[in-house]
Amino acid sequence: GNSVTQMEGPVTLSEEAFLTINCTYTATGYPSLFWYVQYPGEGLQLLLKATKADDKGSNKGFEATYRKETTSFHLEKGSVQVSDSAVYFCLLGDSWGKLQFGAGTQVVVTP
Amino acid sequence: EPEVTQTPSHQVTQMGQEVILRCVPISNHLYFYWYRQILGQKVEFLVSFYNNEISEKSEIFDDQFSVERPDGSNFTLKIRSTKLEDSAMYFCASKLGTGGGTDTQYFGPGTRLTVL
Repeated sequence: GNSVTQMEGPVTLSEEAFLTINCTYTATGYPSLFWYVQYPGEGLQLLLKATKADDKGSNKGFEATYRKETTSFHLEKGSVQVSDSAVYFCLLGDSWGKLQFGAGTQVVVTP
Repeated sequence: EPEVTQTPSHQVTQMGQEVILRCVPISNHLYFYWYRQILGQKVEFLVSFYNNEISEKSEIFDDQFSVERPDGSNFTLKIRSTKLEDSAMYFCASKLGTGGGTDTQYFGPGTRLTVL
C-alpha cells in the first residue's frame, strides 16, 4: 500500500538558517503530494502541494519538488523565521483523495 | 476565509460511554473525512463520506464507529462504547471534491478525546 516516510524531529535551527525536511513515499498510480503545517494550538493547514511529477509547490518561502525518480518531496526554506516554528506533515493523496500521513516533523526556530 | 470547525476541543469520558464528536465542514464542500492521531503515532485515516454515505473506511472504523450528516451543516463521528485505546486527537476534514486526488482537504483544529 501507499506510505510516507518523513524525517524525525525535532529539528532545531537558528533564525535565517536553511531548512530541509526529507520526505519519501511509496505509492501505486499517480499520487498527489502535500505539505501541511500545524502551528501551536491550531489545526492542519495546507502549505503547498504538487499533483504530478516535476511539479514544484511553493508558498511563504517554502518549496518542494515532486521527484518521481527518487520518490521524494523534500521541503526546503532558505531562511527560516521564529514564526516558522511548527509541526510539518508530508502527505500523499491517492486518486480518490485518501490521504496518507508522514509522522510529522517538529521544527523549532530560535532567535 | 471559510474554515472547518470542531466541537468540543477536548472531551473526557468514561470507558464504555458513547461520545459524539462534531464537525462543521466548509459549506460548499462535498467530501468529508475523519482522521485520528493517537499520541506519539501517525495521523490515521478513519472514514470518508460522500453523498450521504460512507465511501471508504479503514480497518480501525469498526462497528463501534459511525458517521452521520444529520443536517446540511454538521458531520458527526459517534463512538458507541469507548475504549481506553480510543483516546486520541480526532480531526475532521472536508474538500470541495471536483479535483479528485488533487483536491486540497481542509482540516479542523481537532477534538482531543480522553477515555478514562
